[in-house]
Amino acid sequence: SQTIHQWPATLVQPVGSPLSLECTVEGTSNPNLYWYRQAAGRGLQLLFYSVGIGQISSEVPQNLSASRPQDRQFILSSKKLLLSDSGFYLCAGRQYTNTGELFFGEGSRLTVL
Amino acid sequence: QKEVEQDPGPLSVPEGAIVSLNCTYSNSAFQYFMWYRQYSRKGPELLMYTYSSGNKEDGRFTAQVDKSSKYISLFIRDSQPSDSATYLCAPGGYQKVTFGTGTKLQVIP
Repeated sequence: SQTIHQWPATLVQPVGSPLSLECTVEGTSNPNLYWYRQAAGRGLQLLFYSVGIGQISSEVPQNLSASRPQDRQFILSSKKLLLSDSGFYLCAGRQYTNTGELFFGEGSRLTVL
Repeated sequence: QKEVEQDPGPLSVPEGAIVSLNCTYSNSAFQYFMWYRQYSRKGPELLMYTYSSGNKEDGRFTAQVDKSSKYISLFIRDSQPSDSATYLCAPGGYQKVTFGTGTKLQVIP
């Protein structure tokens, strides 16, 4: 079965500091990968998705970026964090089925102070 | 216009109640409709899905799609405290996957 590993699980960062969240996938190859953000009490906001190595589609510009250096690795970054970047970040992979259901990691909770 | 709209709740019901959770969607080309369940501080997990119009039942859960009105429903029978979670709907079958806001459900013992 497919599994998403995501880290760190929790982090507290000052405004203006950099960010790097990492996600790796097991149990499948060449998956579509996604980064979502969930603000407190709100839904999942799609940030980036990738259909292959080096291929990134951005849904939310501003100060976040994503990279996919390897088939099963997806990284979310920022050079300078804003207070509004606080939230619960989720990495997901997509099944290669007609339904294309997603399987998620456990999430990374970011607090920017 | 958002692809999927969902009442965020919260929705509180007593244990044993029948729960109805609903979404509307805008794109008539959607064929698959997914329901995910997310417990607090966890990643979502797929609960069930339906294809096109009609009903699909899985234990206490029934998913229903009405394509004529672009309306998706999830019914929970004999609700349990363990059903307390956020329920998210999303269309399936596309590379870009967007979600409704999710409805937070609390089942009170």
